[in-house]
Amino acid sequence: AQSVTQLDSQVPVFEEAPVELRCNYSSSVSVYLFWYVQYPNQGLQLLLKYLSGSTLVKGINGFEAEFNKSQTSFHLRKPSVHISDTAEYFCAGLNYGGSQGNLIFGKGTKLSVKP
Amino acid sequence: DTAVSQTPKYLVTQMGNDKSIKCEQNLGHDTMYWYKQDSKKFLKIMFSYNNKELIINETVPNRFSPKSPDKAHLNLHINSLELGDSAVYFCASSQGTGPQHFGDGTRLSIL
Repeated sequence: AQSVTQLDSQVPVFEEAPVELRCNYSSSVSVYLFWYVQYPNQGLQLLLKYLSGSTLVKGINGFEAEFNKSQTSFHLRKPSVHISDTAEYFCAGLNYGGSQGNLIFGKGTKLSVKP
Repeated sequence: DTAVSQTPKYLVTQMGNDKSIKCEQNLGHDTMYWYKQDSKKFLKIMFSYNNKELIINETVPNRFSPKSPDKAHLNLHINSLELGDSAVYFCASSQGTGPQHFGDGTRLSIL
């Protein structure tokens, strides 16, 4: 079955500390991978995407992710977090067929940045 | 300029009522989607339309009926609302393998 697994439901971290949010995908999911962020009571905003090419992908707000095919992982990292990074983060893979496809989401990781 | 806009943002109604949520995108994308986010924040695809044609119809009750008058619009009509329909409904659009752009969501509460 196609699936995207986020290994941590909650990640508390202190401000200015580094953070890694983990994501694994099943091999049946295409290797079009995305990270989205959802701030409280808001929609989903694209952080970064991997479609092909360099396995290290840089996104907005200082986030980056590394695509690792052998480990079927797409972990999200930031070297120094801010209070404003507190949000829910979703990893997603594209279930692609023909000319379109839907996203399969992980269950989300709630990042809480403490002062 | 909002790329994907949904209306209304909040919808509070009683069980048994019929309601509609509208979605419009101005990105020129061919494909539009409806996702449901439950109380645990889990997001799941409901429907997908490509150029007004239904592509994906997940195991959603028949009470939910999407309608796409043109490729820039995808509306969601829900009949006989039930308590379990309370959720946040997100519209999205995309082109090919490109990222999906999401609306701000419609928060549906059933009393």
